Amino acid sequence: GESVGLHLPTLSVQEGDNSIINCAYSNSASDYFIWYKQESGKGPQFIIDIRSNMDKRQGQRVTVLLNKTVKHLSLQIAATQPGDSAVYFCAESFSGYSTLTFGKGTMLLVS
Amino acid sequence: KAGVTQTPRYLIKTRGQQVTLSCSPISGHRSVSWYQQTPGQGLQFLFEYFSETQRNKGNFPGRFSGRQFSNSRSEMNVSTLELGDSALYLCASSFLAGDSDTQYFGPGTRLTVL
Repeated sequence: GESVGLHLPTLSVQEGDNSIINCAYSNSASDYFIWYKQESGKGPQFIIDIRSNMDKRQGQRVTVLLNKTVKHLSLQIAATQPGDSAVYFCAESFSGYSTLTFGKGTMLLVS
Repeated sequence: KAGVTQTPRYLIKTRGQQVTLSCSPISGHRSVSWYQQTPGQGLQFLFEYFSETQRNKGNFPGRFSGRQFSNSRSEMNVSTLELGDSALYLCASSFLAGDSDTQYFGPGTRLTVL
């Protein structure tokens, strides 16, 4: 498949484990955050989002945590499956400005 | 509901040529954004269109341009192609613009410049 990035941080986990992917965002004015999953040869796929008035949001098998004090975002995936193997990107934006600023991405490998 | 579609999926051009890429947003979505993805620079914002008007523009040279039609479909054009323009070009659509609305991406157009 096509590579979406060279020298990406890589997280290797065993099937069934919980995965935690971290992201440091850059703009303290950002108030909207999204996690995307990108599989080889495909466009980014929306996973979950969170607004700055929340610290935590849960979806199906995924949880996003937001720490505005240290400008840190994390994505937790429960019971990781081989199909979760992909590159994960965090993105930020702020109200009134829809442009997304993306992080560098983390490659998740599930074996 | 059909997702964002992009055509063509793959394109090979030579230096100096120009190229036009097309994006059809999700039905009902009025905002279209374009991003360039390369291994070295990651995902970078090119421009955003809403109601046929360019609302925001990223830090790219004037060789990169775009437009949006009344049906919200969008095209981007790159003139005088350079080797460094080789990338995956992604289009994303959202319902509302400028309100932190979720953007949904298409599969991308893989452009190779020889």
